[in-house]
Amino acid sequence: SQKIEQNSEALNIQEGKTATLTCNYTNYSPAYLQWYRQDPGRGPVFLLLIRENEKEKRKERLKVTFDTTLKQSLFHITASQPADSATYLCALGDYKLSFGAGTTVTVRA
Amino acid sequence: DSGVTQTPKHLITATGQRVTLRCSPRSGDLSVYWYQQSLDQGLQFLIQYYNGEERAKGNILERFSAQQFPDLHSELNLSSLELGDSALYFCASSGASTYNEQFFGPGTRLTVL
Repeated sequence: SQKIEQNSEALNIQEGKTATLTCNYTNYSPAYLQWYRQDPGRGPVFLLLIRENEKEKRKERLKVTFDTTLKQSLFHITASQPADSATYLCALGDYKLSFGAGTTVTVRA
Repeated sequence: DSGVTQTPKHLITATGQRVTLRCSPRSGDLSVYWYQQSLDQGLQFLIQYYNGEERAKGNILERFSAQQFPDLHSELNLSSLELGDSALYFCASSGASTYNEQFFGPGTRLTVL
């Protein structure tokens, strides 16, 4: 069956450092992969989408890589700030998005 | 603000009851999606409508149904409620993009007592 796994449920980092989150998937052949941010009790917010033929995508301090051979995406938050504290979800699929369980990032000042 | 609105914000009801959750998509978006998020299950896709027609179905229970109206707003009906239906219910919409990035509403928190 299809599975999406995100590394460790929680990640605690010091302000200014880079947070790296992992999303691994099995039994998918996605044409693209999405990352969302979710704050407690609120709806997910779309951050970035990366297509299968793109190795890397950047948006401000965010960087996403996509390796279809390894079946893995890495999500980096560089120069992290306390305001980046949230749960980050990766998602696969076309209309029926399947989400990973998320990684909760806490950035300490 | 995503532009997607959901009402009500909170709903508290009893087992066996029926409730209706409402969603208005972003202006111009034809697709509406419903998701359920509970602590133990994460965010689960329920159903998608596109321009009034059902397009895709996830693990939606038979007790749950949805529809999308001509003005594109959508309703999710949950009946014969059980304690396990307590969750956050999100609506999302998407536009004409090929890649289907979705814009989520603030959610309705349903508590079944």
